Amino acid sequence: GAVVSQHPSRVICKSGTSVKIECRSLDFQATTMFWYRQFPKKSLMLMATSNEGSKATYEQGVEKDKFLINHASLTLSTLTVTSAHPEDSSFYICSASRALRGYEQYFGPGTRLTVT
Amino acid sequence: QKEVEQNSGPLSVPEGAIASLNCTYSDRGSQSFFWYRQYSGKSPELIMSIYSNGDKEDGRFTAQLNKASQYVSLLIRDSQPSDSATYLCAGSLNDYKLSFGAGTTVTVRA
Repeated sequence: GAVVSQHPSRVICKSGTSVKIECRSLDFQATTMFWYRQFPKKSLMLMATSNEGSKATYEQGVEKDKFLINHASLTLSTLTVTSAHPEDSSFYICSASRALRGYEQYFGPGTRLTVT
Repeated sequence: QKEVEQNSGPLSVPEGAIASLNCTYSDRGSQSFFWYRQYSGKSPELIMSIYSNGDKEDGRFTAQLNKASQYVSLLIRDSQPSDSATYLCAGSLNDYKLSFGAGTTVTVRA
């Protein structure tokens, strides 16, 4: 159990375009979903936390108008990188949490975004 | 001060040996601790959760928590080349977010 999927796994886009990444919990209902980004050889950086049906909570320094998060249901959250630029190129990873199991987070496989 | 700190590594151990990874945390309010394994180019995978003082064993992995010393550790017994990865220590604070350490890279030499 506790499987999280993420789509797409890899995307290349041109500067100025927008990219949507989907995160789904496949076999459980996720009370909370999280979005991280990770640069090479660096640790995870939390971008935002989202709960179903409510606005996401963004970490300090993360532009909410650039990284749009929608948590439409207990199994689906999306991250849209708007007007992407080369500096947005990174590994984006979502995770999902089941409240009944403490604060364990289960990670999706990640999306590697390259902006040219 | 970082909320969760890991000994810097990298750590190299021969196959069959015990790999010992350590982690300290600064917030006494932290309740839950986790160890994740991350292979290069992949996302983290949860391998251990620990919530109370003492040891917790799962196969070749043993997690240890000492809340008085604010210390968490992970032992990997009978290390295998497939254990070569970066191990992330994480603690949950009082608002369910996880605070991650920088990670310790382990290499198991065949």
